[in-house]
Amino acid sequence: GENVEQHPSTLSVQEGDSAVIKCTYSDSASNYFPWYKQELGKGPQLIIDIRSNVGEKKDQRIAVTLNKTAKHFSLHITETQPEDSAVYFCAASPYNTDKLIFGTGTRLQVFP
Amino acid sequence: DTEVTQTPKHLVMGMTNKKSLKCEQHMGHRAMYWYKQKAKKPPELMFVYSYEKLSINESVPSRFSPECPNSSLLNLHLHALQPEDSALYLCASSQITSGGGTDTQYFGPGTRLTVL
Repeated sequence: GENVEQHPSTLSVQEGDSAVIKCTYSDSASNYFPWYKQELGKGPQLIIDIRSNVGEKKDQRIAVTLNKTAKHFSLHITETQPEDSAVYFCAASPYNTDKLIFGTGTRLQVFP
Repeated sequence: DTEVTQTPKHLVMGMTNKKSLKCEQHMGHRAMYWYKQKAKKPPELMFVYSYEKLSINESVPSRFSPECPNSSLLNLHLHALQPEDSALYLCASSQITSGGGTDTQYFGPGTRLTVL
């Protein structure tokens, strides 16, 4: 079955710097890759997603890149702000399933 | 509106109790999910309902019993739980794509369950 690895487990950056979180997946048939932000005491919130027919997607300060050959995808946050501090999860969905397989999470701390 | 609501927010129960968790969405989604999340861990899929029918059970113990009364509601009935079942229980919903497979899943805020 699908397995998703996520790195780093913790990331500390200064406000205004960029943050990059990387994930690799094992099932080459996976075709949907969302990123979720989870704040303390809340449910995961979708921040951006990408499908396997696209290599990059941007939404303001957030971007996701996908390399299907290498089976990895990355989240890029530019001009980080303290309110970006949270746990971020990547996920992969194997083709033709209703499943999301989550990575282990990255705790991002943005210091003012 | 991309809101999934869950009740109750917190639940404390003994090992002999019977309780239910409720989830509701009004986005017209035809797939609904239950996940379990332990502290500092990612969500783990428990059940999936597609068109109100159970399509995936990830080998969940029978003390957890899901129910989908209609396309907007999802329940999780709890009976004879163990302390290790204490966790955040998350509900999610999504459209079903024309080719099958998941579309964007929207999560509720979760129910924090403590089993004494």
